Amino acid sequence: SQQGEEDPQALSIQEGENATMNCSYKTSINNLQWYRQNSGRGLVHLILIRSNEREKHSGRLRVTLDTSKKSSSLLITASRAADTASYFCAPRGGGGNKLTFGTGTQLKVEL
Amino acid sequence: GAGVSQSPSNKVTEKGKDVELRCDPISGHTALYWYRQRLGQGLEFLIYFQGNSAPDKSGLPSDRFSAERTGESVSTLTIQRTQQEDSAVYLCASSLASRGQQETQYFGPGTRLLVL
Repeated sequence: SQQGEEDPQALSIQEGENATMNCSYKTSINNLQWYRQNSGRGLVHLILIRSNEREKHSGRLRVTLDTSKKSSSLLITASRAADTASYFCAPRGGGGNKLTFGTGTQLKVEL
Repeated sequence: GAGVSQSPSNKVTEKGKDVELRCDPISGHTALYWYRQRLGQGLEFLIYFQGNSAPDKSGLPSDRFSAERTGESVSTLTIQRTQQEDSAVYLCASSLASRGQQETQYFGPGTRLLVL
């Protein structure tokens, strides 16, 4: 497995705005997963995008994947205070079952 | 229960003491993982159990760390002679059998360990 690098490290927005965070990785993948972590609920799986997919939606989440650039983005639309959390990407490929996270993007949504 | 549970939720211990952390995976999940997350850092893989296969221990940082799992149920992570550097949140996750790395891992709330 490999570690994704999330960018930016921190992001502060107003409620109702959109939040975009990016993930870069180094080697080929089978899929890429996004997770969220907040103090109340621990780590939660958000969405998985396969290597042959370019875009995927789940509720207010939109994930894109560009395998040529080895990058992914997570867009949260119409953000809410409850979206305040750290967001991690997990590129999966090359064998192995473990997840490896970077330091994540710390999102703060202010009222 | 419906999710992965871990106990204790918090543990404060003195340097040199042994600690045991417990994880109850989701019923029916054959795969179980232990991770460590130090303050402000990412997730660090420790060990992986899959059914009756030999566990993947490649992430254990030293021989002071060990883990066991009974069948497809409870797992315990033991840290002997704890050091201050062991202070971290220890996270357990479980999943259905791996499907080409497309399985979703479900995480417990973690055990926050503080070694004084």
